[in-house]
Amino acid sequence: SYDLTQPPSLSVSPGQTANIACSGDKLGDKYVSWYQQTPGQSPVLVIYQDGNRPSGIPERFSGSNSANTATLTISGAQAVDEADYYCQTWDTGTVIFGGGTKLTVL
Amino acid sequence: QLQLQESGPGLVKPSETLSLTCAVSGGSINGSTYYWGWIRQPPGKGLEWIGLIYYTGSTYYSSSLKSRVTISLDPSKIHFSLQLSSVTAADTAVYFCARHVVVAAAAVDYWGQGTLVTVSS
Repeated sequence: SYDLTQPPSLSVSPGQTANIACSGDKLGDKYVSWYQQTPGQSPVLVIYQDGNRPSGIPERFSGSNSANTATLTISGAQAVDEADYYCQTWDTGTVIFGGGTKLTVL
Repeated sequence: QLQLQESGPGLVKPSETLSLTCAVSGGSINGSTYYWGWIRQPPGKGLEWIGLIYYTGSTYYSSSLKSRVTISLDPSKIHFSLQLSSVTAADTAVYFCARHVVVAAAAVDYWGQGTLVTVSS
């Protein structure tokens, strides 16, 4: 089965850039999406097809995907960005989620 | 604006079948652009994909749950359902219904609010 690996946690100071990694075998050959989830809420799609932002998502959110690693970048992280972030892809008829990264902005 | 709303029992006994329905409003299930699926999240843990269904009725299921899961479409195509049989405490989770975009590697662009299902006697 295909696996996506994320670091469990990441901490940045306000205004810094947060880079959240998601790794998988030849992940660059697949499309990756990213979701933000705050406590008690449903996840929200922040990036799809590696680097596209849905309407309403701030420009400070961007994404890239190459080789074995996809990266969600939050430029100038704010306190409101503190949340769990999940990567996701599709492989042979299966939806796969990464284990999630808890981002602390402090 | 599309809305997804889960409904079903919040408490299920061990060994019984969990049944949930997702009502779709503001849009139609009938079309080739989307899959319709279920995702769960055990308390304090990450997201786990359960399965999805296409408007044709074709289904895809998680390999770890495949033997216990059935996802179906209502013939009127205004809701879809999840059945998970032989539940145990490990199936206690918030269950989300979701719309997946076919051409975007099944990215989920709409989520239901989620419903907590507890498995306990």
